[in-house]
Amino acid sequence: DSGVTQTPKHLITATGQRVTLRCSPRSGDLSVYWYQQSLDQGLQFLIQYYNGEERAKGNILERFSAQQFPDLHSELNLSSLELGDSALYFCASSPGSVTGELFFGEGSRLTVL
Amino acid sequence: GENVEQHPSTLSVQEGDSAVIKCTYSDSASNYFPWYKQELGKRPQLIIDIRSNVGEKKDQRIAVTLNKTAKHFSLHITETQPEDSAVYFCAAAQGGGTASKLTFGTGTRLQVTL
Repeated sequence: DSGVTQTPKHLITATGQRVTLRCSPRSGDLSVYWYQQSLDQGLQFLIQYYNGEERAKGNILERFSAQQFPDLHSELNLSSLELGDSALYFCASSPGSVTGELFFGEGSRLTVL
Repeated sequence: GENVEQHPSTLSVQEGDSAVIKCTYSDSASNYFPWYKQELGKRPQLIIDIRSNVGEKKDQRIAVTLNKTAKHFSLHITETQPEDSAVYFCAAAQGGGTASKLTFGTGTRLQVTL
């Protein structure tokens, strides 16, 4: 158990819909990262937050947005969903003070039909 | 942005043999190079990492080497065991402190056969 909690574990929805994925980081970690892993693909970096502020951005689509709340949990919002958005979405956390190990959650598997 | 290439995409070895996975990166400012192991249906987990001021690091059967001049780093697993079967990802980190971006390679599926 990494200490990072992601909900929901599985989500099935239709094209055009909007979903919210939630992540609670390890206790004490200030940084949260979101990654997308499509079938048989690598881990694509989406975005990083540190203590509530956006700090690094990857190839995140405009249809996607994220935020980190004062209690440090984070949400990833995916809207106008397309079939190609079907993937495993991982959240990871780290203390944030030094580049180092990321602790991944179990992921949220999104299926868009 | 950073581009991390990883080879091979699949690797099959016999139990007890060694396995080597190689990665190259493009951004000379990258300063941290971790390796993650992802078992089927599980989350990625760090197995070893190396920073840019070190050329080699070893942890039991696992070692990583870094060549900053050539911008490549490698994972070496000796005396492979069936439980080593998994997908391995290399990564390179840009930035530091409170703002960092970890770019992953495309992964190597390692199969250790009996």
